[in-house]
Amino acid sequence: GEEVAQTPKHLVRGEGQKAKLYCAPIKGHSYVFWYQQVLKNEFKFLISFQNENVFDETGMPKERFSAKCLPNSPCSLEIQATKLEDSAVYFCASSRGTGEKLFFGSGTQLSVL
Amino acid sequence: QQQVKQSPQSLIVQKGGISIINCAYENTAFDYFPWYQQFPGKGPALLIAIRPDVSEKKEGRFTISFNKSAKQFSLHIMDSQPGDSATYFCAASKTARQLTFGSGTQLTVLP
Repeated sequence: GEEVAQTPKHLVRGEGQKAKLYCAPIKGHSYVFWYQQVLKNEFKFLISFQNENVFDETGMPKERFSAKCLPNSPCSLEIQATKLEDSAVYFCASSRGTGEKLFFGSGTQLSVL
Repeated sequence: QQQVKQSPQSLIVQKGGISIINCAYENTAFDYFPWYQQFPGKGPALLIAIRPDVSEKKEGRFTISFNKSAKQFSLHIMDSQPGDSATYFCAASKTARQLTFGSGTQLTVLP
């Protein structure tokens, strides 16, 4: 399809529980990015993929966050042992290639209680 | 270290007026400067983008002005409409790398 599909729209977890978010990039797009938006403003880059390979993971808190993009499957972002400060909207974005327009999904609102 | 500074934080404009949002960057390696529009509950959508080899780019009512020596760029929305009310983010990146976003400007266009 012509949109980046993120599921679920909302996710509520108790502190310490696992959270898993999914992203289906636009068909034909080779690059996938994950961003975290806190307080409705600040965007923080987490990780990017070129196809199924990690392209840049400099933004990932490695202790609890992991991500994958496997062939023929939605990409995923997993947070083990969630903390209160993980509460945010997580956006996935995809692009056809380097320097190409970036398309964002509608995000997953994660609330950690 | 905030690499892209955006101002103002909020902006109220009358219908038909001009909205101007400014951004300044620090990293001279940046070579791509997009502006995104975000409505509540939605992801950012690319509005217009510029590369440093030009000083201005216009698409419809939206214009980016770019000043490489000052490391500043701005978004001008001409003939602002109530439907333009949204949060606007500037961003910057090196080609293929991740975007560094500004802190956003909440624009309200009064009818």
